[in-house]
Parts: sequence; C-alpha cells; structure tokens
Amino acid sequence: GQNIDQPTEMTATEGAIVQINCTYQTSGFNGLFWYQQHAGEAPTFLSYNVLDGLEEKGRFSSFLSRSKGYSYLLLKELQMKDSASYLCAAFYNDYKLSFGAGTTVTVRA
Amino acid sequence: ETGVTQTPRHLVMGMTNKKSLKCEQHLGHNAMYWYKQSAKKPLELMFVYSLEERVENNSVPSRFSPECPNSSHLFLHLHTLQPEDSALYLCASSQVRGANEKLFFGSGTQLSVL
Repeated sequence: GQNIDQPTEMTATEGAIVQINCTYQTSGFNGLFWYQQHAGEAPTFLSYNVLDGLEEKGRFSSFLSRSKGYSYLLLKELQMKDSASYLCAAFYNDYKLSFGAGTTVTVRA
Repeated sequence: ETGVTQTPRHLVMGMTNKKSLKCEQHLGHNAMYWYKQSAKKPLELMFVYSLEERVENNSVPSRFSPECPNSSHLFLHLHTLQPEDSALYLCASSQVRGANEKLFFGSGTQLSVL
C-alpha cells in the first residue's frame, strides 16, 4: 500500500484550534478522506477532498494540495467531544484506499 | 448509528476454535468490506465484495474465510487463528465500489485469540 503519514498524538485545550497534517504519495492519487473514530465506535466520514483548496464544514475544515501530496484537517473551537482518533485516507487509481495510522486528539478542559 | 451493524462486539477464542463474525448493512449499498485495525497501525483491507462477488483479497491467510450471501450481509469465518490475529475487525459498506464513495463502518468486533 501507499505510505500515509500523520502524527500519532496531539493535545489541545478546549476552545482552541488544532491542525492535523497528513502526507501521501502523489502517484495515482484521486482524493483524500478524513474519518473520525471515537474510542470503541465506528469510524465516521468527515470530509472528502478532490480539488486543491480548503473546504469548510462548520467547525471542521479540510485542505488539500495535490502537487505537494499534503492535506490537513483543522478543528476549530475544540470541544471535549472532539477527543477521538482522526484517520487520513488517500484513494488511488487502482481502487486502493490507503489509511494512515490515525492521530489521537485529546482535548483538555 | 451508521446503518452497519456488527456482531459480536467482543470475542475471545482459542487457537483451535471456529467462530464467525457477522455484518449487516441497512443502507441498500452494493459494496461491502472487511478491515483489520490493530493498535497504532493503519487499517488493513482484507476483502471487498461488490454486488455479492468477491473482487479483492489482499493476501489474507486462509484461516480467514469471507462469505457474502446477499448484498446486505457479510460474514468472516475464523478457524485456527493465531495470537497475532487479535485486533478490531471492522465491516464497512459503500453505495458502489468507486473513487469518491465514502465508507460507512460498523463498530467492529474486538477479537482476542488466546
């Protein structure tokens, strides 16, 4: 599979902003997914980027740069319920969806 | 509630046991997947079914045997597993197998092999 790199852990304070970076291999790349997974629960879809730029959905935004093989997920106005693992996944031409190992975000009061 | 239900949620089995994991989706999707999730590792795709036909098998050992009797149900039959097979097994579905199709995951079966 393709290597997808994202930080293992991040900690931030309630109300703050956190940016989770993700890098991927660009050869055969189609699009970039972000999923959220709370402990003991199913991963749930957050966003899908195909074109360069920033897409905003409420407190969460996702950015993609196809030429740099780079994406980030921006979480604003952090709430305790945002404590979860965030999975970056890149989709490639051969129907391959490669996941990163996930970034565990801990929100402190 | 994602529309994908997995049972059991937890399973402990010995290396000589035979057990099955069950997945059911209520979304009318045509593609279903089995993933393995180990701690601190990326999700590993095991099997893909599209319109009830297995279209992908990622070099998974034969001790794992999938079955898709219809578009709503997916099973993973387990036999003579090894301790390193202990992991969270996630089922997922999508409308079709394609590039921009988001996956809907079940909550997984936490498997421990003793």
